Amino acid sequence: EPEVTQTPSHQVTQMGQEVILRCVPISNHLYFYWYRQILGQKVEFLVSFYNNEISEKSEIFDDQFSVERPDGSNFTLKIRSTKLEDSAMYFCASSPPRGRPLETQYFGPGTRLLVL
Amino acid sequence: EDQVTQSPEALRLQEGESSSLNCSYTVSGLRGLFWYRQDPGKGPEFLFTLYSAGEEKEKERLKATLTKKESFLHITAPKPEDSATYLCAVQIRNSQGGSEKLVFGKGTKLTVNP
Repeated sequence: EPEVTQTPSHQVTQMGQEVILRCVPISNHLYFYWYRQILGQKVEFLVSFYNNEISEKSEIFDDQFSVERPDGSNFTLKIRSTKLEDSAMYFCASSPPRGRPLETQYFGPGTRLLVL
Repeated sequence: EDQVTQSPEALRLQEGESSSLNCSYTVSGLRGLFWYRQDPGKGPEFLFTLYSAGEEKEKERLKATLTKKESFLHITAPKPEDSATYLCAVQIRNSQGGSEKLVFGKGTKLTVNP
């Protein structure tokens, strides 16, 4: 069964450093998302991406964040200058082409980011 | 503000003891409601999508129902392997016709003892 994959599974970085989190969405999916979950808190939406551009972003997704689909398979989240409060689990999700009123978002296993 | 509230926060059941989890929502316009299962340290695993009040979906020991203000996840004769956190999320209509984002509740942590 196709699934969303994410690398690395864990990342430890120093405050102020740049990190890139990588995702390989399900192959025929066209809509891509990043969410994050701070330990003990809700899963929170960061950004959605379609047709090589951001379609929606939350107020969390400020100028230090960026997303990119550098090739036909990868989808990345870059955090330019990490802060302590960026420590969280980051989930990538993807959903298939529109054809129904709603399309399910399928989530990857996550990258646990720890900023020291 | 759009809100999703799940109750209880935690639930302990004995194997075979049926129960229900609640997800209540106050949103400006609902496009759909999703149930996910999340195991510790893992990503949310899709269970159900519900689109309109009165709709029901079933999968093994789980049954999800939807009203205009809340959804229930009924667990019939649970087994220890059903232990997980169950997340409810809504997708919302907005002035542009629809939002892609899912708004999640905090989840209900279910523990099923053998």
